[in-house]
Amino acid sequence: AQSVTQPDIHITVSEGASLELRCNYSYGATPYLFWYVQSPGQGLQLLLKYFSGDTLVQGIKGFEAEFKRSQSSFNLRKPSVHWSDAAEYFCAVGDLNSGGYQKVTFGTGTKLQVIP
Amino acid sequence: NAGVTQTPKFQVLKTGQSMTLQCAQDMNHEYMSWYRQDPGMGLRLIHYSVGAGITDQGEVPNGYNVSRSTTEDFPLRLLSAAPSQTSVYFCASSPVDRASGGYTFGSGTRLTVV
Repeated sequence: AQSVTQPDIHITVSEGASLELRCNYSYGATPYLFWYVQSPGQGLQLLLKYFSGDTLVQGIKGFEAEFKRSQSSFNLRKPSVHWSDAAEYFCAVGDLNSGGYQKVTFGTGTKLQVIP
Repeated sequence: NAGVTQTPKFQVLKTGQSMTLQCAQDMNHEYMSWYRQDPGMGLRLIHYSVGAGITDQGEVPNGYNVSRSTTEDFPLRLLSAAPSQTSVYFCASSPVDRASGGYTFGSGTRLTVV
């Protein structure tokens, strides 16, 4: 069964500092990988996705993620964090062979706090 | 462009009551699903549908029913509410084209069962 691990429950960074959120997945076939962001009281919003091609993918709001098959990782990065980035971030994995949309499994999330 | 609309936003139920959480999307997405979100557990899939008339169970289906009579609507029914069903429920939809992958989520329904 597919699974996603986000080892950091909470992360605190200073505004303007760089950010890296970790995500490791377990999946036997070719994965379809996602990062979502959830602001308090809101639904989840898709930041970026990967299913083929260049292993470094660009998303919205200045985020990027790199797929590393050898490490089963899909870490999210941002060079300079803004206070508005404070939110909860979820990594997710889907089955590419099923279109990537069926039965997507989510990690438990990482809460990002941004301090002045 | 409404996207995915969930109603109600908040609900309090007594143990044993039944109710239906509504989900509607206006993007003509074939795929729709229901997740529940609990602290420290991420999102867990309850039921999903790949088109009108087709539904299937996810990871935590017990105590919930779904049906999909139209492309737009995917209601979630709680048959006899239990305190363990206190959660935030999200509906999500997606096209079935892999290149378009990624869910559009509703804003959620916060359910409390007392």
